[in-house]
Amino acid sequence: EDQVTQSPEALRLQEGESSSLNCSYTVSGLRGLFWYRQDPGKGPEFLFTLYSAGEEKEKERLKATLTKKESFLHITAPKPEDSATYLCAPSKEAGGSYIPTFGRGTSLIVHP
Amino acid sequence: DTGVSQDPRHKITKRGQNVTFRCDPISEHNRLYWYRQTLGQGPEFLTYFQNEAQLEKSRLLSDRFSAERPKGSFSTLEIQRTEQGDSAMYLCASSFLAGIDEQFFGPGTRLTVL
Repeated sequence: EDQVTQSPEALRLQEGESSSLNCSYTVSGLRGLFWYRQDPGKGPEFLFTLYSAGEEKEKERLKATLTKKESFLHITAPKPEDSATYLCAPSKEAGGSYIPTFGRGTSLIVHP
Repeated sequence: DTGVSQDPRHKITKRGQNVTFRCDPISEHNRLYWYRQTLGQGPEFLTYFQNEAQLEKSRLLSDRFSAERPKGSFSTLEIQRTEQGDSAMYLCASSFLAGIDEQFFGPGTRLTVL
C-alpha cells in the first residue's frame, strides 16, 4: 500500500529562521511528486512538480528537492506570510492521468 | 476570475438527506478531479474525469456517491443518504491534458452532516 509521511507535523519558526520539511514515501510506479501549500479553509495551491531523483526547483524562499525515497522542502529566511500547511503528494498513473497521494501535511507557523 | 469554482461553499444537512455539489473547472482544462479532505488530513482522491468520461474511481467512493460530467465542462458530485462520517471538505481540481500536469484546486465545499 502506498504511504506518504510528512515530518514534522507542526513547525514554529521565527522570521528569518531557515528550516526544512520532509516527505518520505513508498509509492509503486511513482510518476512525479507535487508540493502544495494550503491556507486554512482554502483549497491547496500548487507550488512544484518534481519528476526524477536529483531534481531541484526553486520559487522565492522555497526550494524542493527529490530523492528516490524522500523529498525536502527547504524554506530560507521565512516570513510570516509563509505560514500555511505544506502538502507533499507523490503521484502514480491511473486511468490515463496521474493521481496524487497526499500526506497529512506540515503546519508551518512563522512568527514575526 | 478564471480559477476553479465550487458551489455551494458550505452545506449543512441532516443525516439521510441527499446533497449535490457543483464544480466549474478552468475553461480549457480537460481533466477534472474530486477529493475529500477531513480535518488534519491531506486530500483523498475520489474520482477523475477526462472530458465527460469517468476514468478512475477510488475505493472510497461508495455506492452512495455518484459523480457526473455530462458535457465535459462542469461536474456534479452527489451523496445520497448522507451519514455523519461524510462531513468533510469536498475539493474539486482541474488540469490540462498534458502529462504529469499540476492540478489547480477550487476553494472546496464544506459539508456538515447533523
